[in-house]
Amino acid sequence: GEDVEQSLFLSVREGDSSVINCTYTDSSSTYLYWYKQEPGAGLQLLTYIFSNMDMKQDQRLTVLLNKKDKHLSLRIADTQTGDSAIYFCAEDTGRRALTFGSGTRLQVQP
Amino acid sequence: DADVTQTPRNRITKTGKRIMLECSQTKGHDRMYWYRQDPGLGLRLIYYSFDVKDINKGEISDGYSVSRQAQAKFSLSLESAIPNQTALYFCATGDRGGEKLFFGSGTQLSVL
Repeated sequence: GEDVEQSLFLSVREGDSSVINCTYTDSSSTYLYWYKQEPGAGLQLLTYIFSNMDMKQDQRLTVLLNKKDKHLSLRIADTQTGDSAIYFCAEDTGRRALTFGSGTRLQVQP
Repeated sequence: DADVTQTPRNRITKTGKRIMLECSQTKGHDRMYWYRQDPGLGLRLIYYSFDVKDINKGEISDGYSVSRQAQAKFSLSLESAIPNQTALYFCATGDRGGEKLFFGSGTQLSVL
């Protein structure tokens, strides 16, 4: 199966920007997603981008898509302690059966 | 009340036992999914269903079976549980043609 790769851990200071990176493998993916998982909870959809877009901004979140390199990133501006969580990127390989990365744990230090 | 409800939230069982995890949804969605989460491996798809008569195997279906009893209910069974099935299991739903999946809170299963 396809692999979606993410770095495992990112630590930032409160107020800084966080950038979480992801590489995916299926060039035919129609949608790419970012999900957030807080401790003891399920996954919550943060944002998604259609494959014909390069960028999508939603308040503090900016998603960048580089289709040539199959690279997806999530930038969180003004990172807060409440942003501490695990972030998963996912690609839609068809029929909304998403393939997830292994998750990046974001730690925000006060 | 949660839109996607999983029961039980936690379960400890022994090797060889039959286990059923249940998922129900009030969102009226056609599509339902079962994923398992293991530390460092992300979520992997076990089975998915697009309606009561449409069941599909995912990436890691061996050792699992599912039943779509109604549009709102999708259960996952482990016929003979083994320790490497210890994981956090998530049910998710999606509407036909929609881009989003909605996840339940998960079932933590431990097989001793």
